This record gives sequence, structure tokens and C-alpha cells, in this order.
Amino acid sequence: DAGVTQSPTHLIKTRGQQVTLRCSPKSGHDTVSWYQQALGQGPQFIFQYYEEEERQRGNFPDRFSGHQFPNYSSELNVNALLLGDSALYLCASSLHHGGIRETQYFGPGTRLLVL
Amino acid sequence: QKEVEQDPGPLSVPEGAIVSLNCTYSNSAFQYFMWYRQYSRKGPELLMYTYSSGNKEDGRFTAQVDKSSKYISLFIRDSQPSDSATYLCAMIIPAQETSGSRLTFGEGTQLTVNP
Repeated sequence: DAGVTQSPTHLIKTRGQQVTLRCSPKSGHDTVSWYQQALGQGPQFIFQYYEEEERQRGNFPDRFSGHQFPNYSSELNVNALLLGDSALYLCASSLHHGGIRETQYFGPGTRLLVL
Repeated sequence: QKEVEQDPGPLSVPEGAIVSLNCTYSNSAFQYFMWYRQYSRKGPELLMYTYSSGNKEDGRFTAQVDKSSKYISLFIRDSQPSDSATYLCAMIIPAQETSGSRLTFGEGTQLTVNP
């Protein structure tokens, strides 16, 4: 059973560029959440997708956008990159119950460096 | 003020020691509490998941929740060098009907267990 996969593993971009990160959820999961983890910090919630719609959003600017496909995979797009966007971007998948036990399983992350 | 506070450490202990990791939180709406372990350059993996106040044991790990004090702990008995990782506490406000749950993390505590 494949877990959560993310691509690419590492990425280097320059300020002002745009980046797209990809995530495939764990088999059977239908909900994808994205988190940003700066060095030495805990992950910060960016947004969550379910049924191809953004369901919740954290305190991140509109430069951060996403998409979910019919096969439940997801993309995170960041426009006009800033140095402060350098971080580990984590994708987590879960099964949407609308209830209690929505355990989220994390992928290995994409490490983005903005120069 | 952060919603979840966690001492970042670093914490260094000898093999076999009992380790105590702690988090405090300010939002009474948090109802579910988790501990994740994150090895270097990896995504977080779920260790323990608790709901009610009290203790939950799983092998060498014990999770403790005190909702009245808004305080949670993770104890590791007979610590091993393989326990060396960053430990993240995380909390959830139960999912609403049209949105999924999102994790709010602490900063993480870096633990090193020395042989």
C-alpha cells in the first residue's frame, strides 16, 4: 500500500518565479492538506482540498493556490516567490468523515529553496 | 501568542532515560491531541492520538492530556538512540460539516538519545 508521495523532493528557484508541487494521497484517501514547515518550526496549515474544492485555508496570501484532481491528487502553486517561502512543503492525506478520526498521514515533503 | 506552545529544546539524554515532552495550548476548542515524530529530512509520522483527559499507553510511549490545565505530555520510557528525532505535538478542533479538520502544531522538540 503506497503512502503519500510528493514530487519533486528538492527544488531551487529564484525570487519572483512560480513553482508547482505535487502530491498523491495514500490509497483510499480523498482529502489532501498542505503544510509549510520553516526550518526549526512546526508545520503551518496552508489549505485543504476535498471534492476538488478548497475547504479550509490558513493564514497564507493568495500567492498560494492549489488544485485537486478527480483522482484525489493535488498541486500546490506558489507565485511571485519570496525568500521567506523557502521551507519544507508537506502534503497530508486523510479520509473525509466530517467527524472525529481524520488521521492525517504525511508525505516526505518537498524542500524548496528560494534564492 | 501562539495557540500551541512547545519547548524547542534541544533535549539530550542518555540511552535508557525517561523522556518527558510537553505542550501547552490556549484554545479550549482543541479536542483531539496527537504526537508526531519527525526524523531528519522526513515527513512527520503519527505516534499517539488521544481525545479525553487521562493517560494512553502504547509500548514505551505514554500520552497524557490534562484539558483543565490545557497541557499535554508525551513520556518515552527506556529511550533508545533510534528515538532521536523531533517530536511535534498537534491538535485538532473537531471537523465541521462542510470542512475538514486541520492540525495546529507546536514548534517541535528536538531529542537526541546518546548511546
